[in-house]
Amino acid sequence: ETGVTQTPRHLVMGMTNKKSLKCEQHLGHNAMYWYKQSAKKPLELMFVYSLEERVENNSVPSRFSPECPNSSHLFLHLHTLQPEDSALYLCASSQDEGRETQYFGPGTRLLVL
Amino acid sequence: ILNVEQSPQSLHVQEGDSTNFTCSFPSSNFYALHWYRWETAKSPEALFVMTLNGDEKKKGRISATLNTKEGYSYLYIKGSQPEDSATYLCAFRGEILTGGGNKLTFGTGTQLKVEL
Repeated sequence: ETGVTQTPRHLVMGMTNKKSLKCEQHLGHNAMYWYKQSAKKPLELMFVYSLEERVENNSVPSRFSPECPNSSHLFLHLHTLQPEDSALYLCASSQDEGRETQYFGPGTRLLVL
Repeated sequence: ILNVEQSPQSLHVQEGDSTNFTCSFPSSNFYALHWYRWETAKSPEALFVMTLNGDEKKKGRISATLNTKEGYSYLYIKGSQPEDSATYLCAFRGEILTGGGNKLTFGTGTQLKVEL
């Protein structure tokens, strides 16, 4: 596979469930990102990992827990979410230097019931 | 809080029309301005990274200009085709003194629909 892949593409979960989103990049990049897009809002940066270290946590509630076990994989663990957390979650990767382009996955469409 | 604005929010044009839209961003601490194209159900796709005041970039029928002193960038599409229908996003990166990662602040996008 090439580029950035995300699984699952769609997810429906109850407020008491625990689930995880997975992202994998095949581009040799050293930085990875989680973004959230809610309806009518801009893409909102949630977390940034550079060289497997978290360098940004953009005031995200603790019910979202990221994990970056290596430079190719990024997870977003979800627990006790709220209906307002329903959104499209996008993963991206880039080289962490200068003005490098970020490459995005297709996203996971999450619905919290 | 950084403010990145795009206008118009949406645009309907006829095939063959040329069109343009605007991205406004803070004029201080500029580092880079990115343009992305996002088709429904697909991944956002990078179009341009613009870094210098007066930059002009071109990719096929799409081009972009940059004015960092006044804080705006224009994206132009010449002779629009139905396959150009997508949301066009701009993203601003300001200069950062510490930390890592390439932190981008996105606008809400301009949704373009090209009709036959």
